[in-house]
Formats: sequence, C-alpha cells, structure tokens
Amino acid sequence: KQEVTQIPAALSVPEGENLVLNCSFTDSAIYNLQWFRQDPGKGLTSLLLIQSSQREQTSGRLNASLDKSSGRSTLYIAASQPGDSATYLCALTRGTGTASKLTFGTGTRLQVTL
Amino acid sequence: NAGVTQTPKFRVLKTGQSMTLLCAQDMNHEYMYWYRQDPGMGLRLIHYSVGEGTTAKGEVPDGYNVSRLKKQNFLLGLESAAPSQTSVYFCASRKTGTIGQFFGPGTRLTVL
Repeated sequence: KQEVTQIPAALSVPEGENLVLNCSFTDSAIYNLQWFRQDPGKGLTSLLLIQSSQREQTSGRLNASLDKSSGRSTLYIAASQPGDSATYLCALTRGTGTASKLTFGTGTRLQVTL
Repeated sequence: NAGVTQTPKFRVLKTGQSMTLLCAQDMNHEYMYWYRQDPGMGLRLIHYSVGEGTTAKGEVPDGYNVSRLKKQNFLLGLESAAPSQTSVYFCASRKTGTIGQFFGPGTRLTVL
C-alpha cells in the first residue's frame, strides 16, 4: 500500500525566508506528483504537477522536484510571504484512465509571520 | 462557471441520523470523487464515479453510499451516521484525458 508522509507537520518561519517542504512515498510506481495548497475553510488548489518523467516544475516563487528512485519530492518556496500561510499537501497519482487515483500526504501547515 | 460546489457547508447530526451531501460541477467532467479529510491523515477516497450512472468504491467506503444519476451531480449518503464519520468531506471532478482534479470547498460534518 502506498504511504505518503510529509515532514514537518507544521512550520513557522519569518517573512522573507526560503523554505523547503518534504514529501516522501513508499512506492515509486507513480504517474505524477502534485502539490496542493489548502486554505482554511476552502478546497484544494493545485500548485504544481510533476510528471513521472520530469524532475522538477517551477511556477513563480515555487519550485517542486521529484526523485522517484529515492521516493521523495520537495516544494521550495522562495522569499516567503504571509500570504503563503496555508496547508500544503502532496498527492501521488497511481494508475491511468478509470483506475487513476490520488493518494494524499498528511500535509504541512505553514505559517509565515511578519 | 461556479466550478465544483458542495451543499451544505456545515452540518451537525446525531448518531443514527441520515443525510445526503450534494456535489455539483458545471465543467462537464466525467469523473467525480468524494474524499474525507481527518486530522493527521490527509484526504482519503471514499467513492468515485467514472461517468453518469456508475460508481465505485474507494479506500474507505464503509458506511457511505453514492449515486450519480446526472453527470453534473454526485451524491454522498450516510444512512446511519456515526461519530467516526465526523470529518471534512471534499468533492472533486476531473475531465477524461486530463490529470488535474478540481476540488469543492468542503463540507464540515459533526456527528454527536
């Protein structure tokens, strides 16, 4: 059974710091990996998606990397801002077509302080 | 477009009561999903549907039933609510041939 772990569970950093969120998984047979952002009382917003054949994806201040062989992904946030405060979830896609399903990590709750 | 909407946003039930959660999407997506989110456990798939009139079990289906009578709606039912079903429920949809799922805002359910 695929297990997805995110460390740390919570993180507090001062504004302006660069930070790294970690996601580890046990089964390397994945099709892609996504990073989501979840704000309190709201749904999930997809931030970045890395195909299994890719090593990284970038969007603005966000950079996500994927190392299937070691079962790890990282989300790098540059120059953090208070607006980045949210819970960040990684999710793996297993299977294709009708069998395609997401397996979510446990999440990292990020607080960026002034 | 409203995207994915969920009704209601909050609900409190007593043990043994029944209720139905409604998920609606206006993007003409074929796939729809119901997840539950519990502290420290991430989101877990309850049931899903690959098209109108079809449903399938996910990771944690016990105690729930679903129906997809219309393409745009996916209903999640609790026939006899239990305190263990206290959770935040999320619905999502996806278009055939694409990867990304679009999520609704969630329903917070408390069973006393």
